[in-house]
Amino acid sequence: NAGVTQTPKFRILKIGQSMTLQCAQDMNHNYMYWYRQDPGMGLKLIYYSVGAGITDKGEVPNGYNVSRSTTEDFPLRLELAAPSQTSVYFCASSPGVNYGYTFGSGTRLTVV
Amino acid sequence: AQSVTQLDSHVSVSEGTPVLLRCNYSSSYSPSLFWYVQHPNKGLQLLLKYTSAATLVKGINGFEAEFKKSETSFHLTKPSAHMSDAAEYFCVVSDRAGTASKLTFGTGTRLQVTL
Repeated sequence: NAGVTQTPKFRILKIGQSMTLQCAQDMNHNYMYWYRQDPGMGLKLIYYSVGAGITDKGEVPNGYNVSRSTTEDFPLRLELAAPSQTSVYFCASSPGVNYGYTFGSGTRLTVV
Repeated sequence: AQSVTQLDSHVSVSEGTPVLLRCNYSSSYSPSLFWYVQHPNKGLQLLLKYTSAATLVKGINGFEAEFKKSETSFHLTKPSAHMSDAAEYFCVVSDRAGTASKLTFGTGTRLQVTL
């Protein structure tokens, strides 16, 4: 059982570069989420999706974009990387309201 | 609006002694509440959840939490700490936003277990 798979696990970007963080789940969950975790700050919601073709902004969406063309995949795009985007990024999925989330193992991103 | 306050950023206990991690919440709706654990350089794992059923919730690895509406608290406890319990613990509240639930995380409590 793969659950939620995130790639890559680690990445170093230069300022201004772009990249896509991949997230895939095999549990047929409708809801998917992207969070970032900064030291001592808990997790902040970037974007979320309630199903294929539907996405919405979370608490800290600036500098990011998402798409949801399939139920399984929910990639996160950074267009112009900035040092403030140095963080650990977690993707999560859920079958619905009031269910716990299944998290991926995270992507550690450093922007230099 | 919803929020979560974890009252201790760091808790240290001796192995074999009880664990208490404190959490207070604020929510406009009847909330769902969760505790997640994160071991170093790992993802988050669900420990337990409260979703308006029994107020005393039992989770994995001997942890439990009690929902107290009058005190707006959801403290996490374990009778006897084990070295493997050393990790970061997050109290989380879920509130509906449109058609999706969204989680609001506390800032975390780091549990240290000493011999």
